[in-house]
Formats: sequence, structure tokens, C-alpha cells
Amino acid sequence: DTAVSQTPKYLVTQMGNDKSIKCEQNLGHDTMYWYKQDSKKFLKIMFSYNNKELIINETVPNRFSPKSPDKAHLNLHINSLELGDSAVYFCASSQRLAGGTDTQYFGPGTRLTVL
Amino acid sequence: GNSVTQMEGPVTLSEEAFLTINCTYTATGYPSLFWYVQYPGEGLQLLLKATKADDKGSNKGFEATYRKETTSFHLEKGSVQVSDSAVYFCALTSLSSGGYNKLIFGAGTRLAVHP
Repeated sequence: DTAVSQTPKYLVTQMGNDKSIKCEQNLGHDTMYWYKQDSKKFLKIMFSYNNKELIINETVPNRFSPKSPDKAHLNLHINSLELGDSAVYFCASSQRLAGGTDTQYFGPGTRLTVL
Repeated sequence: GNSVTQMEGPVTLSEEAFLTINCTYTATGYPSLFWYVQYPGEGLQLLLKATKADDKGSNKGFEATYRKETTSFHLEKGSVQVSDSAVYFCALTSLSSGGYNKLIFGAGTRLAVHP
């Protein structure tokens, strides 16, 4: 059973388009995250939700809008895609509130390429 | 804010060699420290963690000790295998602007082990 799953795995699209990435976790965790990993492997948190409530929003352009319909799902919608949005986006989850000592479990990533 | 500095890679070793990947941090308070590993084409997995000074985290032959006096959390393994080839990320907890803990990652160090 996949603990944290993301769809799609690859996404290739044109500049200016709108796209969504979906994430689901079956671990029963309360907290979910979106991270962006750039071409140099640098990993940075974008958002975190706890029980469907947004608790961390890290200076991300408002073209990015996360949505959590329930605590097992966290989706990421991106409007007006730009070249600089090309990256690998990782979803993750943890048992309790963001960070602390809890292990974060990562999905396999979605590689977004904007042409 | 809190930050993590890792040695630049790639680190290239022969099988059974000794591994050290340096990690130093800057932090206020008493963060928890982590090493995550990313195998090719996959998401990150927790390798080990330490939650207070002088704690030693260990897993799969890897170990790291939380050294407050030198603000370091160096990763070591006595004898590496080809299967250890991956990117290794040092991370620590940091408070977000909303008062929640988040993870701050280092830039990652790529390890390549040859037979």
C-alpha cells in the first residue's frame, strides 16, 4: 500500500496554463505539506495544512493555491504557469502538527515542466 | 532564521569506504535535527534523527550525533555499499511566522558509491 501518493508523476505544459497536482495519504496523519525541489535539489516548504486548516504559507506567489478537502488529501492548483515553476513538487505528511520530532513521509514527487 | 549548511557534493567513494557528510546549523533555541535520504526517482525518507544535544541517531549503519557546542550533525557510516548511492539531506526544525514548526533542509549532498 502506498502511504503518500501523488498524481500525476509527470506534467508537461505550456506557459500560461493552469494545472493541478493531487496528493493523498492513507496513514491517518493530521498534517500535510507541499514542498518544491528545484533543479539543484534544493528543497523548500511551500504550504502546510493541519486537519484541513492552512497553518504554513511560505511566501509563495498567489498563483499557487492549495486545497485540502479532508485531512487525507491536499491538492495544489497553479494558475498562469511560468517557466520558473518547473520543478519537482513533493507532498508529505506527518502524524501531528507541522515539524517537531515527527517523521515526515514523502510522496514520490510530481515533475512539472513548463515550456 | 534557522539554517543548515551541508558539504557540497558529489562525494564519490569505493564500496566499503568510510563516509562522512558534514552538516552544521544555525538556530535559535533547541531544534530537532534530521537526516533524510532521497534515492533516485523517489521521495525523501527519514534516515535518522536526534531531538536534543548529545543524542545519537542511528539507522542502517548510519549514525549522527547532535553536537550543540559545534552546532553540527555530521553523518557517518563505517562501510558504504553501492546501494547507499543517493542524495542526503540534513534538516532541522524552525518556527514559521505563524508559530508552527517546519523543516528547513540543507542543499543536499549526492553520494556515489562504486564497486
